[in-house]
Amino acid sequence: DSGVTQTPKHLITATGQRVTLRCSPRSGDLSVYWYQQSLDQGLQFLIQYYNGEERAKGNILERFSAQQFPDLHSELNLSSLELGDSALYFCASSIQAGGSTDTQYFGPGTRLTVL
Amino acid sequence: AQKITQTQPGMFVQEKEAVTLDCTYDTSDQSYGLFWYKQPSSGEMIFLIYQGSYDEQNATEGRYSLNFQKARKSANLVISASQLGDSAMYFCAIKMNYGGSQGNLIFGKGTKLSVKP
Repeated sequence: DSGVTQTPKHLITATGQRVTLRCSPRSGDLSVYWYQQSLDQGLQFLIQYYNGEERAKGNILERFSAQQFPDLHSELNLSSLELGDSALYFCASSIQAGGSTDTQYFGPGTRLTVL
Repeated sequence: AQKITQTQPGMFVQEKEAVTLDCTYDTSDQSYGLFWYKQPSSGEMIFLIYQGSYDEQNATEGRYSLNFQKARKSANLVISASQLGDSAMYFCAIKMNYGGSQGNLIFGKGTKLSVKP
């Protein structure tokens, strides 16, 4: 158990809908990262927050947004869902804002299925 | 741009034997970190081992060790005394040192390891 929690574990929804994925980082970690894992794209970085502020953006679609709250938990909002958004979404946390030595610990993931 | 290459889509190893999973990377930066993660069929991503670009010694963590060859830009994972529970996907990843301002991981496509009894 990494100490990172994600809810829900599974989510099934229809095209055009909006969903919210939730993540609580490890105790003491200030950074939260969101990654998407799909069969065709592999593991891709979406976005990073550090202590409530957006720090870095990756291949995140405009239909997707995220935020980190004062208690450091984070939510990833996915809207106007398409079939291609079906994937495993991971949250990871780390102590620092970045740096090559800062290990990221991953949550169990949320498996999103868009029908 | 940084890139990770894992050339072995799948590998088999006999239980109790050692196995090496290959990872090469491409970066022009001097300061970076290399990470290996394990993803069992249940889906979670488990951190295994870390190697810093300036570390002179190869990293070790229990049955996991890194064969780090900086000049060749390779960071191969060695698993000793394989166990059935080692059957999983293994991902190599690199993280740059942007002065501590950001630090997303860049992953390879992974290697699926199957341990035979």
